[in-house]
Amino acid sequence: DTGVSQDPRHKITKRGQNVTFRCDPISEHNRLYWYRQTLGQGPEFLTYFQNEAQLEKSRLLSDRFSAERPKGSFSTLEIQRTEQGDSAMYLCASSLVTGVWNQPQHFGDGTRLSIL
Amino acid sequence: QQQVKQSPQSLIVQKGGISIINCAYENTAFDYFPWYQQFPGKGPALLIAIRPDVSEKKEGRFTISFNKSAKQFSLHIMDSQPGDSATYFCAASMTEGAQKLVFGQGTRLTINP
Repeated sequence: DTGVSQDPRHKITKRGQNVTFRCDPISEHNRLYWYRQTLGQGPEFLTYFQNEAQLEKSRLLSDRFSAERPKGSFSTLEIQRTEQGDSAMYLCASSLVTGVWNQPQHFGDGTRLSIL
Repeated sequence: QQQVKQSPQSLIVQKGGISIINCAYENTAFDYFPWYQQFPGKGPALLIAIRPDVSEKKEGRFTISFNKSAKQFSLHIMDSQPGDSATYFCAASMTEGAQKLVFGQGTRLTINP
């Protein structure tokens, strides 16, 4: 049973550089979520996809951030012109939503981003 | 805007004791309340979840108590073990729409042997 996979696990970069993270959800899951978690805080919602469609973006997601989910499979999250405040753990979660009820979200182990 | 408030921030319990973590929410449209466990360097892992049509749900040593009128819910860990030492997050979401999770601030639980 493969869970949600995220790559890389750690990324260190200089301020102003662009970074891209990848998330591979559980294979049959149609929903994919991105969250951000800063030290000592709970995760905060960034955006989500239903299959390949990006349906909602948080106000936390500035225009330096872009996410894609081509063909409704893996997803990428890109941050352009990174800033110190972007340092955080970026978490991906997936779920299978087929009806009305809320479905459990399964999280990956995240990508920890450090901006020098 | 703090939609889910969690307390305490940290908790120390002796092995074999009961650990209790509390959460309060504001948005009455929330209808799904999961608890997640997170170890250092790992992502959150779902422990147990409840919907507001029941007042209690038990799975093994973990129990959620839910009080809809008070807009509060709590996690009880019975017979706490050193392996339970982790950070616990409560969360809430709405079935309608994104089903995005709104998390509490977390509770760092330490179980002393």
